[in-house]
This record gives sequence, structure tokens and C-alpha cells, in this order.
Amino acid sequence: EAGVAQSPRYKIIEKRQSVAFWCNPISGHATLYWYQQILGQGPKLLIQFQNNGVVDDSQLPKDRFSAERLKGVDSTLKIQPAKLEDSAVYLCASSSLPGGSDNEQFFGPGTRLTVL
Amino acid sequence: SQQGEEDPQALSIQEGENATMNCSYKTSINNLQWYRQNSGRGLVHLILIRSNEREKHSGRLRVTLDTSKKSSSLLITASRAADTASYFCATGSGYALNFGKGTSLLVTP
Repeated sequence: EAGVAQSPRYKIIEKRQSVAFWCNPISGHATLYWYQQILGQGPKLLIQFQNNGVVDDSQLPKDRFSAERLKGVDSTLKIQPAKLEDSAVYLCASSSLPGGSDNEQFFGPGTRLTVL
Repeated sequence: SQQGEEDPQALSIQEGENATMNCSYKTSINNLQWYRQNSGRGLVHLILIRSNEREKHSGRLRVTLDTSKKSSSLLITASRAADTASYFCATGSGYALNFGKGTSLLVTP
């Protein structure tokens, strides 16, 4: 079974620029998550989708971050404008069942963002 | 918010030895999960233990959960160099899965 795909793998931008990340979950997985992992820390949930609806975006900095999941499959996460503190690895994960914390999540390789 | 907190932050052992890492958390949970992260395979789910379970095994892994102490432990027996990675506990109580900062394990030949 193919895993969670993410692109790009690396991105370097200057502060105040915009950037977008793409995620394709495991086929058939209804639940999709975006996490931010700052160096030396564990992943922090930014947003969770169930099909194409948002379940939890309480930790998403909505003044600069946005995410969508059109048609309940692929998802994009955008940062506009980027700040230095946004430098991190952005991880996408999916699971076959709803209920966020109750089920195994499958993670993609991540996108490493560097903001200069 | 990151609820789980792993201990120790770093651990170095030799191949064949056992490795034990601990996780403490603050609020009630539905379940607790352990994940491994290395540069080769990214973040991978290891095991999930539910709040009504006390111990669970998977291959060389043994996880315990003590809800009265709000703590869990992950034991890796007969460690191998390939076990070198960061290990995270993640606590769940609803939609969110909250990760700790992780324990960095180094297994030397």
C-alpha cells in the first residue's frame, strides 16, 4: 500500500513570502492531519480534516495559515506571509477512522521549511 | 498543547541491551500511543494502549500504562543499531493527539 505523499520535501523562502505544501493521504483514509514539528520538539497538531470538513483547527494560526481539503482527498497547507518562527518540518498524516487520538496515524516524510 | 513528557531526553546503550523510556502526562486520556522517528522512515506508529489496559506487547516492545500515576513506559528488549531513533509518546483525549518532546535513543554496535 502506498504511503502518505508530501511535496515538496524541502523549501527555503524569505520571511514575508508565501509557501504551500501538498499532501496526498493513503487511499481511502477519510481523516487527514497537518502537524508542525519544530526542531527538538514533538509534532504539534495544526488542523484535522474528516473528509473535506474541518474537525479541529484550534492550534492553527489563522492569521497566516490556511488549509483546505477539496473533494476529501488531497490537501494543501499555506503560509502567507511566513515568519522566521515558521521554520519547521510540516508533517501530513492520515488515518482510516475518525476520532483523531483513538487510532493509528500514518505519517508522510514531511516538508522541511526554512524561513530566512 | 504538548501534554506528554518523555524521560530521559537522551539515552545511549549498546546493542543487545534493553532500553526503557518513560512518559508522564497531566490530564485524563482515552489512550496513549508510542511513535518512532528516524531520518530514514519518518514518524512511525509503534503501539497503542488504551486507558483500560495495563500492558501491551508487540515483538520486542513492551508498553505499560499506569493511569493512577499518569505514566507509561516503553521497553525495547535486545536493542539493535536500527532502533536508533527518537521515540515519542502521544496522548489522546478526543480529536487531538498530543506529542511529547521525545527521547533520543542511540544504540551502538
